[in-house]
Formats: sequence, C-alpha cells, structure tokens
Amino acid sequence: TQLLEQSPQFLSIQEGENLTVYCNSSSVFSSLQWYRQEPGEGPVLLVTVVTGGEVKKLKRLTFQFGDARKDSSLHITAAQPGDTGLYLCAGAGKAGTALIFGKGTTLSVSS
Amino acid sequence: EAGVAQSPRYKIIEKRQSVAFWCNPISGHATLYWYQQILGQGPKLLIQFQNNGVVDDSQLPKDRFSAERLKGVDSTLKIQPAKLEDSAVYLCASSLSFSYNEQFFGPGTRLTVL
Repeated sequence: TQLLEQSPQFLSIQEGENLTVYCNSSSVFSSLQWYRQEPGEGPVLLVTVVTGGEVKKLKRLTFQFGDARKDSSLHITAAQPGDTGLYLCAGAGKAGTALIFGKGTTLSVSS
Repeated sequence: EAGVAQSPRYKIIEKRQSVAFWCNPISGHATLYWYQQILGQGPKLLIQFQNNGVVDDSQLPKDRFSAERLKGVDSTLKIQPAKLEDSAVYLCASSLSFSYNEQFFGPGTRLTVL
C-alpha cells in the first residue's frame, strides 16, 4: 500500500517567517501534487511536479520533487496570513490511478 | 468556467438513516471522483467513474455506500444506513480524462451522523 507521510502535522508561525513542509513515501510516484484547502472548501491544486529533482516556483512558494520521486517539499518564504490553510500532498501512480493523499499540514500564520 | 457543484453543503442525520449527495462536475470532464475526508485526514478515494462506468470502487463500503453516474455527467452518492463513523466531508472532484491527473474539487458536503 502506498502511503504519504506529511510533516509537520501542525505549524503556527508569525507573519514574515519562512517554513518548509515535507511529504515522504517509500513508494515511487509518477507525479506529485500539492493542494491547499481552506475551511469549508475543497482542495485547490497549487502545482504538479513530474520529473525527479524538479523545482517549481509559484510566487513565494517553492516546490521540489525528490530525485527518486519518493518525496517532495514545499517551502514558503515570508509567510502571510493569507497562506493559512491545510496543505495536502498527493501522489499519482500510473496514469489514471487514484491519487494518494497525505494527512496534510495545517498552517496558521498570524500577523 | 463553472466549477464542480455539490449539494447539499451540510447534512445532519441520525444513525441508521439514509442520505444522498449530488455532484455536477465541470462540463466536459469525463472522470469523476468521490472522496471521504475525515477531520484531520487527507481525502480518501471512495469511487472513480470514467463517463458512466466504474473504474475503481475498491475502497467503497459496498454494504452501505452506493454511487451512480447514469448519464456520464451528474453523480449521486448514497449512504444507507449511516453509521456514526460516516461523519466526514464528502468531496466530489472531476478531471478532463482518465489519464489526466489534475483534479478539480467541489466545496464538499459536511455530514454529521448523530
């Protein structure tokens, strides 16, 4: 069974701080996605990484896919209160198979 | 472009009662998913449809859960009878096709079973 472990589970920081969220597995994924979910809403896709070692930037967010395609990280620079939410990583096996979600990291950024 | 629509947004029922959820995916999306998200956890796939056919229902508790997508567009998910542990958010998602992994999620239905 493929599992994705996310850490930390909870993160509470001040505005302006940097943070990194990790997503680890013993399984290889063909691609890995990061979602952000706000209370009362469904997850919204932030990025998809496909190639081992790939780095993608989305404004203050930097996503990295591990060389072996088993792990990923999300780094946020100068966090803002608007970054508050649940961050989920999801791995895809072969095309067409269901996504496997991690349990998520709940981020709270206070001003 | 309209997103994935779900209704109702909230539902409270007694255990052993029945409940149904409705989902309307993004127009043109062939693949539809139902997920269960228990508080503090990530979404867990219940069932995946490609048009009106079931692709994966391996994690659907078939003794009490059922789902259909008769015309390959809208879908309904039913629970009969509900148990306390069914309290969760039920998310519907759709994607362009079977081999396209980008999924678009609806707002979910929050079910509370008392």
